[in-house]
Amino acid sequence: GAVVSQHPSRVICKSGTSVKIECRSLDFQATTMFWYRQFPKQSLMLMATSNEGSKATYEQGVEKDKFLINHASLTLSTLTVTSAHPEDSSFYICSARVPGGLETQYFGPGTRLLVL
Amino acid sequence: QKEVEQDPGPLSVPEGAIVSLNCTYSNSAFQYFMWYRQYSRKGPELLMYTYSSGNKEDGRFTAQVDKSSKYISLFIRDSQPSDSATYLCAMKVTGNQFYFGTGTSLTVIP
Repeated sequence: GAVVSQHPSRVICKSGTSVKIECRSLDFQATTMFWYRQFPKQSLMLMATSNEGSKATYEQGVEKDKFLINHASLTLSTLTVTSAHPEDSSFYICSARVPGGLETQYFGPGTRLLVL
Repeated sequence: QKEVEQDPGPLSVPEGAIVSLNCTYSNSAFQYFMWYRQYSRKGPELLMYTYSSGNKEDGRFTAQVDKSSKYISLFIRDSQPSDSATYLCAMKVTGNQFYFGTGTSLTVIP
């Protein structure tokens, strides 16, 4: 199956710092990747869709200047939480679609962010 | 009205029971249907994938799609404690827009 990795799995940072989360497709090239946020006991909230080589499409209410997404290669997308605050603490999950494959998406293991 | 409705549970069953998880939807154009399993503090894992109506079986898991009723189900036979997780349904027409249910929390008691 398609494997998606994320790094780091957990990160703790001080308020005001920036944090970068990497999402990699390990055994396929992903032209489209998604970034989600999930609060405890809640469902997935789509933040943005990123396409390789172009600007990400953000969902309504998601600040693009705060959550910077870069999809510079077919196997790597990054999410940078800029000037993080405690309310940004959450579980961030990326996913990717396999070009020409099933009409589904494969998720990474998630990154838990805690902002102190 | 939400595009996809899923009972959040929680659902608690004894080991060995048959579990039935369900989602209803409103958009008759949905044609791709998925079930994901999410363990605590992990990313969702694709469990079942179905195109259009019908049944699909994989081991102890059976996915059913009834497009006429706009209703999908996931059955788990001989449930095990390791099946304890949150189960998310998802569906789409085509393209990149996926619609997720809120997830059903399942606990299988040994």
